[in-house]
This record gives sequence, C-alpha cells and structure tokens, in this order.
Amino acid sequence: QVELVESGGGVVQPGGSLRLSCVASGFIFSDYAMHWLRQASGKGLEWVAIIWHDGSERYYADSVKGRFSISRDNSKNTLYLQMSSLRVEDTGVYYCATERHSDAFDMWGQGTMVTVSS
Amino acid sequence: QAGLTQPPAVSKGLRQTATLTCTGNSNNVGNEGATWLQQHQGHPPKVLSFRDNNRPSGISERFSTTRSGSTTSLTITGLQPEDEADYYCAAWDSTLRAWVFGAGTKLTVL
Repeated sequence: QVELVESGGGVVQPGGSLRLSCVASGFIFSDYAMHWLRQASGKGLEWVAIIWHDGSERYYADSVKGRFSISRDNSKNTLYLQMSSLRVEDTGVYYCATERHSDAFDMWGQGTMVTVSS
Repeated sequence: QAGLTQPPAVSKGLRQTATLTCTGNSNNVGNEGATWLQQHQGHPPKVLSFRDNNRPSGISERFSTTRSGSTTSLTITGLQPEDEADYYCAAWDSTLRAWVFGAGTKLTVL
C-alpha cells in the first residue's frame, strides 16, 4: 500500500544541523513532486519546501530560505531535507507530502519530531 | 510570506451546515484556487478538496467548495461528530513561488 515514512528527527541545539528523510513506497515516486511541511505543537500547518518530480525546481518558504535544502533520490524513492543553522522556532513535527498534476498534499507521512533547544 | 485568512473558530449543531471561509489575493486563491485539508488532533492532515472543488476519491459529498474572486469557502452539510477538527486552506502563490496556508479554523460540532 501507499506509504511515506519520515525519519531523522531528534533534539539539536540552536545553530545545529539535521537531515530528515522520507521514504516512499507503493507508488511511482518519480512521478510526484514532493513537499516538506511542519507544525509546531498546538499551531497551524506551515509549508516548508517543494521539489519537482525530477528535482529540476525547488522552492522554499522565506522562513527557511538559505538554511534548509530539499533534495531527492528517485533511485532510492527517498526525499530529504537538510536543515542547518537551526533555530528554536524550527521546532515541530515535520511531514512529507506528495503532489501530482497540481493535486497537492494528496498523501502524507506520519511525521518526525524536531526539537531545537539548548 | 503573508498567509491566507481564516476565522479561528466556527461552532454549529449536529446535522447543521457549516461554511468555512478562506481569503487570499489575486496571486494565490484568486489565481490558482485553494486546497482544503482536515486535521484531527494527533493525526496528519487529509485533503478534502483540491483546487476548485476537485474532491479526492473517498471524500464524502457532504464536503464541497466554492470560490468567488480571492475567497474560497468550504461547506460541510449534515454535520457529524467526526467532522469536529481543524480545517486549513492552502494555495500556491504565483508571485512568491511558495505555498501559503491559512492559520486554520477549529470546527466544533455541538
């Protein structure tokens, strides 16, 4: 069945780095654009980044531009989010989600928790 | 990046109809339409409607959307207890080259 599984979350100090992964199964990963989104505890959803199905284009929220980098390896059905210069306000659950033919956020993973704290 | 505007909370009675609104501008909702998502506490969100009332398979016909200019509305008919959740709208902003979200509306079914 269709599945997205995020991993790589954890506790990191401000200024630190972390790499998140999202492994896809049950669908043709290379046909889908992919998103990262996040949600702080008790707060709303925040879009983080998108990468085109072939990796040819990437866009970021202003809040993470220059600090986060989205990438993918279609041979491994895996999406990545490299996060650096982390701030306390980056704390939250990070989700990966799919998009195909402009139908965005169709499938979601269960999320991975990132805590930035000293 | 300015977000979309949603009312923070709406309360309606069982079996009534709720209409949730979401306002953006001509670069996002007014241009590309909006996606609506439902999120129950402790779970990932679920899409109720892709842009302009394109409902995914498995989503009840009780959920429908309309758009007028830069405002989109999600209408839920015959409210059920399981409809109590947070509802978010989202749209691609062609100028910002970014997705923008509303802060969410908490729907309470009385």
